[in-house]
Amino acid sequence: EIVLTQSPATLSLSPGDRATLSCRASQSVSSYLAWYQQKPGQAPRLLIYDASNRATAIPARFSGSGSGTDFTLTISSLEPEDFAVYYCQQRSSWPLTFGGGTQVEIK
Amino acid sequence: QVELVESGGGVVQPGRSLRLSCAASGFSFRNYGIHWVRQAPGKGLEWVAVIWSDGGHKFYEDSVKGRFTISRDNSKNTLFLQMNSLRVEDTAVYYCARDSLSGYYDSWGQGTRVTVSS
Repeated sequence: EIVLTQSPATLSLSPGDRATLSCRASQSVSSYLAWYQQKPGQAPRLLIYDASNRATAIPARFSGSGSGTDFTLTISSLEPEDFAVYYCQQRSSWPLTFGGGTQVEIK
Repeated sequence: QVELVESGGGVVQPGRSLRLSCAASGFSFRNYGIHWVRQAPGKGLEWVAVIWSDGGHKFYEDSVKGRFTISRDNSKNTLFLQMNSLRVEDTAVYYCARDSLSGYYDSWGQGTRVTVSS
């Protein structure tokens, strides 16, 4: 099973700040990695797939990069609605696995 | 628009069974694989099972193999999860999620809560 480790666990930032979230895989997942956003009481929402492709209707301030074992989600300038928990997920091999999440909170 | 609506959750004793449903609309259900993903209280996301579009292939997370069965009725645009021999650690919100045709989850339901407790 591929283990995804996200860091930091919590990121305390202000609106307008740049957010950089990390996801590290225990073995290479090539570019088969996605990012999701989850707000309290809501289902997750797909943001990025195949490491760097924005999903439908996702704002350009969200971007993804990386390949192999190291990946980054960047939010260029935080909007109030971006404070949430973010998860990475790999589809390189079964079982499909998620990282433990990074909470982006208001400083 | 794509809509997935789960139902069937509730409170059940350890060792008992529960059947979850996921009603789909707004897309051609028979053309998509569908997953169950769960989230224990205050925890992260965990993939549970997937069934491919024609129902011919199914995969399960190890801890539910032999206890859970995923199935679908393409004539009724509905997905099911039969959960037997439930354990306390199965307590979670269960989401159905559409496969994006490449192993990601591009649409999610609102979730149904399952609580296993004596």
